[in-house]
Amino acid sequence: GQQVMQIPQYQHVQEGEDFTTYCNSSTTLSNIQWYKQRPGGHPVFLIQLVKSGEVKKQKRLTFQFGEAKKNSSLHITATQTTDVGTYFCAEIIQGAQKLVFGQGTRLTINP
Amino acid sequence: GAGVSQSPSNKVTEKGKDVELRCDPISGHTALYWYRQSLGQGLEFLIYFQGNSAPDKSGLPSDRFSAERTGGSVSTLTIQRTQQEDSAVYLCASSWRGVEQFFGPGTRLTVL
Repeated sequence: GQQVMQIPQYQHVQEGEDFTTYCNSSTTLSNIQWYKQRPGGHPVFLIQLVKSGEVKKQKRLTFQFGEAKKNSSLHITATQTTDVGTYFCAEIIQGAQKLVFGQGTRLTINP
Repeated sequence: GAGVSQSPSNKVTEKGKDVELRCDPISGHTALYWYRQSLGQGLEFLIYFQGNSAPDKSGLPSDRFSAERTGGSVSTLTIQRTQQEDSAVYLCASSWRGVEQFFGPGTRLTVL
């Protein structure tokens, strides 16, 4: 079945350092969504990417969708303690209308 | 409504008992989803409703799990004869046009 692999599983950085998480698929993705889950919280939608090579920015967050639509990345510039949480990528399986999530990258930050 | 709500927030039950988990989606959202998240793990898709029908039940782990949705609104997820491996956070999400899913706070189920 469809599977989205996400790396790294964990990342610890000093506040102010950059952070990147990657999602990879062996098959072409129709789209990719990114969610953030704070500790003890629920996933919150960040963005959806649909087009090949798409790049979107939200303040310090940059989202990319690969040219072949088989990978995606989320990059955070100059992390802040509010960025702590687990970042998930997910693909909506068209027709089935379900999200298939990556395993998530848990980000911790040393202030 | 303000957002997706779920009840109870916590449920502790004994192995073998049945449990019912409830989800109230955002008003007007036609799509409703159930996911399960085990401790420190990712999210596992369980079932999806479009209106009151569930076109995709492929994620339900076993026949002990069932779900229904009435009036295109509230949904209940029922787990019969609970087992310890059912312990997890059960998350509900709703969506209007199938793009952004809005998640509820979840129900933490503990089976002793």
